[in-house]
Amino acid sequence: DTGVSQNPRHKITKRGQNVTFRCDPISEHNRLYWYRQTLGQGPEFLTYFQNEAQLEKSRLLSDRFSAERPKGSFSTLEIQRTEQGDSAMYLCASSPGRQQETQYFGPGTRLLVL
Amino acid sequence: AQTVTQSQPEMSVQEAETVTLSCTYDTSESDYYLFWYKQPPSRQMILVIRQEAYKQQNATENRFSVNFQKAAKSFSLKISDSQLGDAAMYFCAYRSAYAGGTSYGKLTFGQGTILTVHP
Repeated sequence: DTGVSQNPRHKITKRGQNVTFRCDPISEHNRLYWYRQTLGQGPEFLTYFQNEAQLEKSRLLSDRFSAERPKGSFSTLEIQRTEQGDSAMYLCASSPGRQQETQYFGPGTRLLVL
Repeated sequence: AQTVTQSQPEMSVQEAETVTLSCTYDTSESDYYLFWYKQPPSRQMILVIRQEAYKQQNATENRFSVNFQKAAKSFSLKISDSQLGDAAMYFCAYRSAYAGGTSYGKLTFGQGTILTVHP
């Protein structure tokens, strides 16, 4: 069990550029979650997957955001036409998919949009 | 929609002393899970303790224990014998237990409490 990993750990981009983040969940975890955390605040839910199916999307996930989990393993989160308001920590978490589940978090990707 | 409120932005404690972090939540559901997560500076979030709403007994994990008051919708965390390594941001979080519900699966977090431990 190597834990949830996320890449890159840091990303600086210019406004208007596209960025993509990757999350590798704990092996055999069926569920994968994306959250966004701004400085000094608690994480806010963005979306989650059960295997490769995206089951829920938050209203925070505008049409500039897209997430995929093509083979039910790793996931990507893409932000198109980035805005300064997108600057945040993007957290990924995974869980086994059982009823009494605990979500295990990755280290996050910190995005800064200039 | 469920909400979680942590009314203490910052708390401090002396090493070896006890501190209690407060959390209240609002929900119309009767079955759910509550969590305390710890996020050290520049490090990833880790689970401290969890509580199932259907269990009356308060959860404990070594030096960490909770006071779960379902009727009052209160879920406080007590840290005994505080250690320097306990310094972190602590988040209270809620998750629905109803499969298929609109909030099932996702965690709803409070704003967090920064805990400082003084040597």
